[in-house]
Amino acid sequence: GESVGLHLPTLSVQEGDNSIINCAYSNSASDYFIWYKQESGKGPQFIIDIRSNMDKRQGQRVTVLLNKTVKHLSLQIAATQPGDSAVYFCAENIGDYKLSFGAGTTVTVRA
Amino acid sequence: DVKVTQSSRYLVKRTGEKVFLECVQDMDHENMFWYRQDPGLGLRLIYFSYDVKMKEKGDIPEGYSVSREKKERFSLILESASTNQTSMYLCASSRPGGDTEAFFGQGTRLTVV
Repeated sequence: GESVGLHLPTLSVQEGDNSIINCAYSNSASDYFIWYKQESGKGPQFIIDIRSNMDKRQGQRVTVLLNKTVKHLSLQIAATQPGDSAVYFCAENIGDYKLSFGAGTTVTVRA
Repeated sequence: DVKVTQSSRYLVKRTGEKVFLECVQDMDHENMFWYRQDPGLGLRLIYFSYDVKMKEKGDIPEGYSVSREKKERFSLILESASTNQTSMYLCASSRPGGDTEAFFGQGTRLTVV
């Protein structure tokens, strides 16, 4: 069964606002997490990753937060743009080089 | 630029046909994966391979097989296609190790009629 899941299947955001996408995971032994972005008609693309020995990691306009106590992962997108409209997946490493994915959150940016 | 290439973007096959989905990567990655993607279910792992001629079942291997004769190529085979195998199929590759991202192809949308 799924060990990774997203709290909300859809998120509508006003252009320029910040977005927060949440993800819960159930495998406390997972030590590596990734956020992927999938635009329509394309395969998932890597956004940012984080290892379990970190609580926070920042990229360009994106920040990933990891709370191991409650097994929660979030992706924050600053100043959301139309090009950020996509499906976002969190994934966790569950051993043997395999990644387990959540169901995804569809982000729609309103102009 | 790293690349994972799937041979077809769209395929339509008849029930009972044997179907081959091909995937090639140019990154010299040891690991390769096949996922299927369905609405509301995310990506589910069908099979993966961590070396040439090696394969491991994922979460939903029933009705599928795979072949990895060369490091760069990983094929997914539907022995006898059924309508419930209509889906988006995604191939991915990665370096060895548990803390490494997977690179995905553009996907093959398979319709079985």
